Amino acid sequence: ETGVTQSPTHLIKTRGQQVTLRCSSQSGHNTVSWYQQALGQGPQFIFQYYREEENGRGNFPPRFSGLQFPNYSSELNVNALELDDSALYLCASSHITRLGETQYFGPGTRLLVL
Amino acid sequence: QQQVKQSPQSLIVQKGGISIINCAYENTAFDYFPWYQQFPGKGPALLIAIRPDVSEKKEGRFTISFNKSAKQFSLHIMDSQPGDSATYFCAASRDTDKLIFGTGTRLQVFP
Repeated sequence: ETGVTQSPTHLIKTRGQQVTLRCSSQSGHNTVSWYQQALGQGPQFIFQYYREEENGRGNFPPRFSGLQFPNYSSELNVNALELDDSALYLCASSHITRLGETQYFGPGTRLLVL
Repeated sequence: QQQVKQSPQSLIVQKGGISIINCAYENTAFDYFPWYQQFPGKGPALLIAIRPDVSEKKEGRFTISFNKSAKQFSLHIMDSQPGDSATYFCAASRDTDKLIFGTGTRLQVFP
């Protein structure tokens, strides 16, 4: 187990709704990254947060947004849900150091959009 | 420039055999190459990682071979076991964040 937790584990929404996913980072980590993993695909980088600010973003539209809190926990918000948003959403925590500590993934939240 | 190409898509190996998964990248700025193992219903777990200053890294039954000039790296699983059956992802990044993943290889090890 990595110490990274995510909630909820599963979620069903309908098209057009909004969803908030939550992530609790591993102790001592100050960076959180979010990834979207479609069925049968590798994870795709959504964005990363460091010190409560966005620190890089992948090729995802603005309706994907996030927050990082002072305790380094994080939220991923998706507005105006589309059917293609159905996927496993993973968060990964790490610590930004020059030596480059690796990212530790949580178990994910499986989102189904109907 | 950002792609990581992974092959094969699926692999069937007999218990005790060697599993080999290959990846190729294009962006020469990448400096960190991890392999992740993912079981159904779980998040990816780091297996082993390498930086371009070495050509090989071994941890137990898992070995990464790295060819900087060819921009390729591979995972070798020696003495493959049924418990190794999972999906394996290669990835690449600069500064070890913002990972770019391959498309995955589903490994099945039969007794």
